[in-house]
Amino acid sequence: EVVLTQSPGTLSLSPGERATLSCRASQSVTGRYLAWIQQRAGQSPRLLIYDASTRATGIPDRFSGSGSGTDFTLTISRLEPEDFAVYYCQQYDSFPLTFGGGTKVEIK
Amino acid sequence: EVQLVQSGAEVKKPGESLRISCKGSGYTFTNNWITWVRQMPGKGLEWMGRIDPSDSSTNYSPSFQGHVTFSADKSVSTVYLQWSSLKDSDTAMYYCVRGRGWVDYWGQGTLVTVSS
Repeated sequence: EVVLTQSPGTLSLSPGERATLSCRASQSVTGRYLAWIQQRAGQSPRLLIYDASTRATGIPDRFSGSGSGTDFTLTISRLEPEDFAVYYCQQYDSFPLTFGGGTKVEIK
Repeated sequence: EVQLVQSGAEVKKPGESLRISCKGSGYTFTNNWITWVRQMPGKGLEWMGRIDPSDSSTNYSPSFQGHVTFSADKSVSTVYLQWSSLKDSDTAMYYCVRGRGWVDYWGQGTLVTVSS
């Protein structure tokens, strides 16, 4: 099973700042089959990024994904109030599919 | 508009059985797998497995294999998640999500509470 380790566990930032979230896989994720998912408090999750760097429909361009192999990054260029949430990475390269433990982006 | 609408919250006792549902609309239901995701209270997301509504093919995570059952009724565009004997540790929010790999549209979640 591919273990996804997300860091940091919590990121304390102010609106307008840049957020950089990391997702490291225990083995190579081929085909860049990695997604990023946002979950706001009390809401269902929603897809942000798939195939490591493709934004899902309706996702603002301040969200970007990068990386390959075992190291992936989600960057939020300028934090908006609605971006304070928990972010998960998910790999869909190998079975069973797995999620990372999440990074909480909180208001500083 | 693509929607996945899940059945309402449930409160059950250990050992009881349960089936929850997820109804798709706004797209061709048999064209996309449905994935089930568990979120225990205050915890992260866990991939349970997936079902192809077109032929009811299933894949289960080893962590859930044998404890849950997925099924589908394409005539009503609905998939189901079923337990034959609930445990306290099944208390969680359960989401159905459209997709086989990356998943795009999420249901609103069904909260299952198991308590004696």
